[in-house]
Amino acid sequence: KQEVTQIPAALSVPEGENLVLNCSFTDSAIYNLQWFRQDPGKGLTSLLLIQSSQREQTSGRLNASLDKSSGRSTLYIAASQPGDSATYLCAVTDQAGTALIFGKGTTLSVSS
Amino acid sequence: DGGITQSPKYLFRKEGQNVTLSCEQNLNHDAMYWYRQDPGQGLRLIYYSQIVNDFQKGDIAEGYSVSREKKESFPLTVTSAQKNPTAFYLCATSDRVNQPQHFGDGTRLSIL
Repeated sequence: KQEVTQIPAALSVPEGENLVLNCSFTDSAIYNLQWFRQDPGKGLTSLLLIQSSQREQTSGRLNASLDKSSGRSTLYIAASQPGDSATYLCAVTDQAGTALIFGKGTTLSVSS
Repeated sequence: DGGITQSPKYLFRKEGQNVTLSCEQNLNHDAMYWYRQDPGQGLRLIYYSQIVNDFQKGDIAEGYSVSREKKESFPLTVTSAQKNPTAFYLCATSDRVNQPQHFGDGTRLSIL
């Protein structure tokens, strides 16, 4: 059964720092991987989606990489800002493609 | 996500009572999903539907029921058989299976 793990569970950094969030999954037979952002009490906002055939995706200050063979993905946030404070969730879609399997998230706090 | 409306935002259930959570979308997406989120946990799939009049159980379907009579609507009923219903419920849609999922703002269900 696919399991998704995110490390660290929480992270506090000063404004301006570059940071990396980690995601690992146990079964490399995935269809795609998505990174989401969740603000307290809110739904999820999709940040980046990487297809299984891709190595990385970029959107503004965000860059996500995928190493399917090792079962890992990283989300790189450049020049962090207080507005980046949120919980970041990683999720994979298996080959059947029925639904997403989520990690528990990394809660990020960026101080000004 | 503006195209997905979940209501109500907050809901309270009495012992032995069934309650229904609404999810409506105007994105013309074929697939719809219901997830449950508990504090400090990732999202877990309850039910999903790929097309009208068809739906499948997810990992934690016991104590829940759904219907998909219209493409735009995928209501979730939390029955009295669900002994621990207190959670944050999120509805999602995608153009079709394996495509990026878009989330509503969620419904928070509590026990009176």
